[in-house]
Order: sequence, then structure tokens, then C-alpha cells
Amino acid sequence: IVLTQSPGTLSVSPGERVTLSCRASQSFRTSYLAWYQQKPGQAPRLLIFGTSTRATGIPGRFSGSGSGTDFTLSISRLEPEDSAVYYCQQYGGSPPFTFGPGTKVEIK
Amino acid sequence: EVQLVESGGGLVQPGRSLRLSCVASGFTFDDYAIHWVRQAPGKGLEWVSGISWNSGTIGYADSVKGRFTISRDNAKNSLYLQMNSLRAEDSALYYCVKDRMIAVAGVFEDWGQGTLVTVSS
Repeated sequence: IVLTQSPGTLSVSPGERVTLSCRASQSFRTSYLAWYQQKPGQAPRLLIFGTSTRATGIPGRFSGSGSGTDFTLSISRLEPEDSAVYYCQQYGGSPPFTFGPGTKVEIK
Repeated sequence: EVQLVESGGGLVQPGRSLRLSCVASGFTFDDYAIHWVRQAPGKGLEWVSGISWNSGTIGYADSVKGRFTISRDNAKNSLYLQMNSLRAEDSALYYCVKDRMIAVAGVFEDWGQGTLVTVSS
């Protein structure tokens, strides 16, 4: 399964709503989609799994949705510390597990 | 606090071998599957291999199948990756990653800081 993310880069002002897209080349088990955040020089951090379940400690402004082949990560009110690359990842029951190419979110 | 500390990276010539290690602490190691995920400089993430709690289920990316071997020693809270026949395209930061589940589910909950592998002559 190939994952495509759009846009490649997004420049947003603090306080704005952000919507990131992840599209799969074929359907897989709907709930098996995760999102990660990676800041420069840091390891990735799990944000969302099961399409919409926030990982431990993740702020409520992050939310996930979607089904079939189209999935979305939303940030309701962008904070300066949200500047990062965001990756989607599918884990449809068994390996191999694949990541999307990432969306870079920049703060204006 | 979950800690995953990788080691064993370095500069190696094409065709040679390298063994990576990961020592875990802060959780019950044999309650979780563990993975290796890599990231080439300036590039995205690539899952490499994963192993279930009892080594009963093991998976590999096609790009490393037949060259890399994952293993774990629950008595030592340790994960390993034996990398043979290394290629330039294997150059990357290799992360040790804890799964959310005991099986190889593929939800990467906790990450180490990585160990850098550079394959070059």
C-alpha cells in the first residue's frame, strides 16, 4: 500500500486550523492508520493511531479522521511548537508497514 | 519512563556487516513487540523489521529481506539487527521503536534517538 500526503509543505499562522491529507493506493482496515510528528533533530512522536485515537499526552487540538483510502489529520488551533513534519502510516494487520512521504508544517 | 538506547552504528564499507543493538528500560520488555525503523538523511521514514514479544512473528521490509536479521534477548532487555551485505542505500539513522502491542501490530509508540549507519567506501 502506497501512501500519498498533501500538501508537501504548508505555511500557516498561529491560531489557524490546519488540515493534512493522507491518501492510500488501496483500501485497508479502516482503523489501522497512524500519524506521527517529527521536529528537527528529534525522533518521531506518535500522535494518532486507529485513525482517530490520540496517543497518551497528545493535546486535544490534534484529531484524526477518515475511512477507505482518505484520511485527515487536523490541528484545530496551530501553536508555534506544532512546526514539524507529519507522517501518516498504515499498519493494516501485518507487515510491511508503510509511511507517507510527510507534510512539512511551517509557522508564518 | 520508557528508554530505548541504540548503539552499534558507524562507517562501514559496501558489502560488509554491522550489528545494531538496542537496550530498553522503563517498561516490561517482553510485553511488547519491537521494531527497527530507519531514516536516510533528509528523507522520510522506512520500516525495516519487527519482532513479536516471543520472537514468534518476525517481519522484514522487502528492501532488507535476506540481508538483515532481527532478534531479541528478553533476559537482557535487548533488541538486535544483524545487517549483512550492506549497500549505500542502507545508510540511515536507525531507530529502535516499541510497539503498542505484544504482537507485531505496527503502531510505533516509543522511539529511541537512533544510531547512524553510513555505508561508503
